[in-house]
Amino acid sequence: EIVLTQSPGTLSLSPGERATLSCRASQSVSTSSLAWYQQKPGQAPRLLIYVASIRATGIPDRFSGSGSGTDFTLTISRLEPEDFAVYYCQQYGSSPITFGPGTKVDIK
Amino acid sequence: QVQLVESGGGVVQPGRSLRLSCTASGFTFSDYAFHWVRQAPGKGLEWVAVISYHGRNDYYADSVKGRFTISRDISNNTVSLQMTSLRADDTAVYYCARTFRLSHYYMDVWGKGTTVTVSS
Repeated sequence: EIVLTQSPGTLSLSPGERATLSCRASQSVSTSSLAWYQQKPGQAPRLLIYVASIRATGIPDRFSGSGSGTDFTLTISRLEPEDFAVYYCQQYGSSPITFGPGTKVDIK
Repeated sequence: QVQLVESGGGVVQPGRSLRLSCTASGFTFSDYAFHWVRQAPGKGLEWVAVISYHGRNDYYADSVKGRFTISRDISNNTVSLQMTSLRADDTAVYYCARTFRLSHYYMDVWGKGTTVTVSS
């Protein structure tokens, strides 16, 4: 099983600042089969990024993903008020599918 | 519009059974594999099970293998999760999500979830 580690656990930033979230895998994620999801309190997760760097339909271009192998990054270029949430990475290249523990982005 | 709606959650005693359903609408049901993903109170996401788009294959997390069964019914566009021998650590919000054709893929549409509480 591929274990995903996300850092930091919590990121405290102000609107307008840049957020950089890390996701590290215990072994290489095949064909960059990594996705990012955003979850707000009381809501279901929402797909942001797949194949490590492709934005899902309707996702603003301030969200970008990068990385390969074992190291992946989600960047939010300028935080908007609606971006304060928890972000999860997920690998789907190997069975079982696994999620990281999440990074909470909160308002400083 | 594209939608997944879960139902069937509730409070159940340890050792008992419960069946969750997920009703799909707004897209071609047979083109998609379906997953159940759960989230315990205050915790992260845990993948539970998947059924392939054709229904011939299913896979489970070790934590539920042998206790949970996923199935699909193309006649009414539903996916079910039969849960038996429930334990306190099965308490969670259960989400249904879809993936296009592949069982191991990214989940582009999620339902709002249904809450299962296992307690005596």
